[in-house]
Amino acid sequence: AQKVTQAQTEISVVEKEDVTLDCVYETRDTTYYLFWYKQPPSGELVFLIRRNSFDEQNEISGRYSWNFQKSTSSFNFTITASQVVDSAVYFCALTSKAAGNKLTFGGGTRVLVKP
Amino acid sequence: GAVVSQHPSRVICKSGTSVKIECRSLDFQATTMFWYRQFPKQSLMLMATSNEGSKATYEQGVEKDKFLINHASLTLSTLTVTSAHPEDSSFYICSALLLAGVSEQYFGPGTRLTVT
Repeated sequence: AQKVTQAQTEISVVEKEDVTLDCVYETRDTTYYLFWYKQPPSGELVFLIRRNSFDEQNEISGRYSWNFQKSTSSFNFTITASQVVDSAVYFCALTSKAAGNKLTFGGGTRVLVKP
Repeated sequence: GAVVSQHPSRVICKSGTSVKIECRSLDFQATTMFWYRQFPKQSLMLMATSNEGSKATYEQGVEKDKFLINHASLTLSTLTVTSAHPEDSSFYICSALLLAGVSEQYFGPGTRLTVT
């Protein structure tokens, strides 16, 4: 069975601070895909990134960056110079073809950015 | 990008009635759609996998007679909550798979169901 753990349930920061969200996953599949989603108060899930298990390159997109470490089964997400609009719940998720493309979500981390 | 819509966005119904939620892929065909439920301050939990033209596959613990899923076309899946009770109040989210292989799931905006 697949499992995703987001140990931090809630993080509170002041605007312009950096914040890193941890994600640890478990899977027996050798080919799998990891995702991060943002869920603002409106509830709609916003796709942020997808990474496959063969691509361990870190990625940067604007103020967002991701660190994929296969050796520790982690896929951490950093928001640099946080802004109030970053306040949301962030979910890490995992899927694979062997799992029928079903997404397994972590528990989510609520980020509160204070002005 | 691929767009998925859900209707209605919010619904309030009385206990004992049934409610239908529609999930549509607007600009692509989806042979597979998924239905999730999210309780307040919790994560998304997969309820069932909906495949066009065949019966849905339900996750363990999800009552298939209570949550009826129909995927009659490549762009529409419906979830009917039958004989709804207050404990069914939740945020229901659908997603559609763009391609047959592993690809991104495109999520609908969700439907907030309140059963009084």
